[in-house]
Amino acid sequence: AQSVTQPDIHITVSEGASLELRCNYSYGATPYLFWYVQSPGQGLQLLLKYFSGDTLVQGIKGFEAEFKRSQSSFNLRKPSVHWSDAAEYFCAVGAHTGNQFYFGTGTSLTVIP
Amino acid sequence: DTEVTQTPKHLVMGMTNKKSLKCEQHMGHRAMYWYKQKAKKPPELMFVYSYEKLSINESVPSRFSPECPNSSLLNLHLHALQPEDSALYLCASSQEFQGRHEQYFGPGTRLTVT
Repeated sequence: AQSVTQPDIHITVSEGASLELRCNYSYGATPYLFWYVQSPGQGLQLLLKYFSGDTLVQGIKGFEAEFKRSQSSFNLRKPSVHWSDAAEYFCAVGAHTGNQFYFGTGTSLTVIP
Repeated sequence: DTEVTQTPKHLVMGMTNKKSLKCEQHMGHRAMYWYKQKAKKPPELMFVYSYEKLSINESVPSRFSPECPNSSLLNLHLHALQPEDSALYLCASSQEFQGRHEQYFGPGTRLTVT
């Protein structure tokens, strides 16, 4: 069965520090991969997506993610975190064929001054 | 324009009330979704409309009744809700009902059932 795992429930980083949020998936074929961000009380905003090709994907707000097939991972990174990045982050996978779309359990990011 | 709008932003209703949530998109998307989200949890899929037809109903209680009047609009009718139905209700849309298409989300309706 397909699944998405975000191993870190909560991460705290200092403003200006680098950030990496982990995402692992289980799927028979290479799925379509997404990262979303959700600020408190808001809807989800798409940060970036991976379909094929270059395994390093650039997104909005200075985020990037790297697809590693050998590790079934799609980790989100940012070189320097801003206080406004504090939010909930969800990794998601979409079926290569078919309509399945699964969210991970989310990682809550706290940014300290 | 990648905007999905939802009204109202907040809703407080009693257990005997009837209310409706509304969602609108003008991106020409043919799939629209309702999700329920509890605090610090991922969205839970409730319903999917594809080409204005109900494609998915994830065993949602009948006190929630979806409606898709046209390709741009999605409603969720609420009746006789329970306090445990209090949550953030999110609407989303995508180009097609396929896993390869990203979903665009509205800001949500914060529902409180008293």
